Amino acid sequence: TQLLEQSPQFLSIQEGENLTVYCNSSSVFSSLQWYRQEPGEGPVLLVTVVTGGEVKKLKRLTFQFGDARKDSSLHITAAQPGDTGLYLCAGAYILTGGGNKLTFGTGTQLKVEL
Amino acid sequence: NAGVTQTPKFRVLKTGQSMTLLCAQDMNHEYMYWYRQDPGMGLRLIHYSVGEGTTAKGEVPDGYNVSRLKKQNFLLGLESAAPSQTSVYFCASRERAEQFFGPGTRLTVL
Repeated sequence: TQLLEQSPQFLSIQEGENLTVYCNSSSVFSSLQWYRQEPGEGPVLLVTVVTGGEVKKLKRLTFQFGDARKDSSLHITAAQPGDTGLYLCAGAYILTGGGNKLTFGTGTQLKVEL
Repeated sequence: NAGVTQTPKFRVLKTGQSMTLLCAQDMNHEYMYWYRQDPGMGLRLIHYSVGEGTTAKGEVPDGYNVSRLKKQNFLLGLESAAPSQTSVYFCASRERAEQFFGPGTRLTVL
């Protein structure tokens, strides 16, 4: 089983602050995804990073894939209450029979307060 | 276009009872997945399917069975529920790199 550890597990910050969430593994992934999940709903894909060292920006969110494709980070600038939710990273690996599977991280619960 | 739907949304079972969770998708996706989500453990893959009539085991398949008789439906069965199966269950279907998740089923086994 390929494990993905996320840190921190919980994060409570004030509106306007910056934060970084980390996703680490000892395994190499073909790609890495970040999802956000709100209470009572399923996760929704935010971004997919494929190339080692790749950086993607989605408005105030910046995602980076480690050079060795084993780790990733999510940085949020000037957090807003609407950013509140559970953030999950997921590493993809190729199945021998085709297709892929995702291994999900342990999750980071973010709360942004006014 | 409803995406991925799951029924039921909530269920309470007694130990030893059986039940089936239904997942349906209207996006014509080949790949479908069943996950369980427990606090502090992220989502763990139970079973998956790469197409109609095919299923395969994931990370935590024990105590569960699945069937994919029709492309749009993926059923998850619990033959004899145990308290350890108390969890939130998510179904997903996949197109290219993106998985689309249903809203989840919250199952409690007493």
